[in-house]
Amino acid sequence: AQSVTQLDSQVPVFEEAPVELRCNYSSSVSVYLFWYVQYPNQGLQLLLKYLSGSTLVKGINGFEAEFNKSQTSFHLRKPSVHISDTAEYFCAVSGNQFYFGTGTSLTVIP
Amino acid sequence: ETGVTQTPRHLVMGMTNKKSLKCEQHLGHNAMYWYKQSAKKPLELMFVYNFKEQTENNSVPSRFSPECPNSSHLFLHLHTLQPEDSALYLCASSRDREVYNEQFFGPGTRLTVL
Repeated sequence: AQSVTQLDSQVPVFEEAPVELRCNYSSSVSVYLFWYVQYPNQGLQLLLKYLSGSTLVKGINGFEAEFNKSQTSFHLRKPSVHISDTAEYFCAVSGNQFYFGTGTSLTVIP
Repeated sequence: ETGVTQTPRHLVMGMTNKKSLKCEQHLGHNAMYWYKQSAKKPLELMFVYNFKEQTENNSVPSRFSPECPNSSHLFLHLHTLQPEDSALYLCASSRDREVYNEQFFGPGTRLTVL
């Protein structure tokens, strides 16, 4: 079985500051890892995914994430956030099916 | 029209009503999913269809009844719902059921049960 833990339910950050959203997972099988973003009144949109290869994955809107197998983590980072990044962010792990975390609400403060 | 569309976007119904949610994908995918999203809880996978065949039913109460007439359309029929069923219902699709394929989501239907 797999599970996903997003430790921070809310993350406030000032505009142009860096941000890291944390994601840890547990799994007994090899997994694939994903980050999705959900803007208000919209469905989930894929930011990036890790399938294999380089552990540093770059996604859309300037986001990147690093897969750390030893720490079973897949944290999402952005060096400088914008107001438009305010949204809910979901980490997901896929082993035999998709499992989503509870989400992290990112609020960018002007 | 592209992507995954869902109708209606908002639905208010009484506990004795019967209603249906509709999902349509224009991506040529073969797998479709229904999820329930409640506040502060992980997305709950409800049903999975692959090539029009239901492959998963995650212990969903029988008051939720899915239907997949073809690979592009997915319905969720609702009857005698409970207030705790109020949530955002998301439809998603993927190329197939391979676990490395990303899922594409619709905007969701916000359901309120009175």
